[in-house]
Amino acid sequence: DIVMAQSPDSLAVSLGERATINCRSSQSVSSTSDNKNHLAWYQQKPGQPPKLLIYWASTRESGVPDRFSGSGSGTDFTLTISSLQAEDVAVYYCLQYYTIPRTFGQGTKVEIK
Amino acid sequence: QVQLVQSGAEVKKPGASLKVSCKASGYTLTSYTINWVRQATGQGLEWMGWMNPNNGKTGYSQRFQGRVTMTADTSRSTAYMELTSLRSDDTGMYYCANSSLWGGPMDVWGQGTTVTVSS
Repeated sequence: DIVMAQSPDSLAVSLGERATINCRSSQSVSSTSDNKNHLAWYQQKPGQPPKLLIYWASTRESGVPDRFSGSGSGTDFTLTISSLQAEDVAVYYCLQYYTIPRTFGQGTKVEIK
Repeated sequence: QVQLVQSGAEVKKPGASLKVSCKASGYTLTSYTINWVRQATGQGLEWMGWMNPNNGKTGYSQRFQGRVTMTADTSRSTAYMELTSLRSDDTGMYYCANSSLWGGPMDVWGQGTTVTVSS
């Protein structure tokens, strides 16, 4: 199974400041057949199901604010919130959808400093 | 609008079986794969498996192999996840979520079904 490791486990950022979350996979999730990185990012707020933010490592889902961006390739990926807003307080997960079983990172809790 | 609506909360005794339903609306069930994801209370997300409603083909996580069965009734636009031999550590929230038939990320999620396993 591909192991997904996120860092940090939690972070506190001031309103309007940048938040950066990292995700590393134990093997590459980049496909040579479609030349894409099979990596997604989700946001989960308390009492709600996860919400898809980013797929193909850097493609923003429709309706997701442009302060959210994804980058990376191969085994190392980053989710950046360029200017943290109060409504961004949540737990963020990365997911690899390159192989079965699908595997998630352990989650990163983002709070306001 | 595309929605997945899950069945209500369940309380089960250890050793019992559980069956959760997930009804698709706003789209045809056979247009997407259905995934099931578990989240123990206060913990992270764990993928349990998936099924293709077109042909009934399934793929399960090794952790649940032998205890889980995923099915679909296309006439009811509903997918099901059955988990047997329940243990206390099966307590948590169970989500269904769809993904493209070729295997993309989980996109639309159900609201979740709370399951409590306790004697």
